[in-house]
Amino acid sequence: SQQGEEDPQALSIQEGENATMNCSYKTSINNLQWYRQNSGRGLVHLILIRSNEREKHSGRLRVTLDTSKKSSSLLITASRAADTASYFCATAPSGGYQKVTFGTGTKLQVIP
Amino acid sequence: DGGITQSPKYLFRKEGQNVTLSCEQNLNHDAMYWYRQDPGQGLRLIYYSQIVNDFQKGDIAEGYSVSREKKESFPLTVTSAQKNPTAFYLCASNPGGTSGRGDNEQFFGPGTRLTVL
Repeated sequence: SQQGEEDPQALSIQEGENATMNCSYKTSINNLQWYRQNSGRGLVHLILIRSNEREKHSGRLRVTLDTSKKSSSLLITASRAADTASYFCATAPSGGYQKVTFGTGTKLQVIP
Repeated sequence: DGGITQSPKYLFRKEGQNVTLSCEQNLNHDAMYWYRQDPGQGLRLIYYSQIVNDFQKGDIAEGYSVSREKKESFPLTVTSAQKNPTAFYLCASNPGGTSGRGDNEQFFGPGTRLTVL
């Protein structure tokens, strides 16, 4: 079964707006990762946040992690048309270090 | 260029045939993975290998087989026992393997789209 569930399933925004995607998971984790997938392509790793971290930034990306609520959010600021893609969270469980479980993804459309 | 290659990009199979999907990496990574992605869905783990000559079943291994004879290569065979093989197949790797070194960030290939005719 899927460990992570993203919300919303789909999101459509205007260029320049911020996009926020959420991920909830069920069991204790070692870390949580966010990936991006352009249509028909492989996934690209965006950012990893460890279980003892609460917030992480990378360029226009901001990720938060709340282990008490078993949830994470990905914020993309000042979105661009090129950000149009599907975004997936993936969790690495405590003790199952080499195995990550992917969520169902959020499909983001940025309208120019 | 370092990276992961998958071939072919598109593959068509007749019912009852076995087909093998290729995955090669030159990143010197110990761990390699095969995922299946259905339309509008997330990724489901088929098999993974943490080191040469060793592999484990993932969540949906039935109807699939793998081998890991070389560090660089992790081919996936979709057998006739897989009843619904039409999907997008993704191969990935990460450095860690059994050493546990580094984080388990995954590097993905471009994928193979398999269609059963």
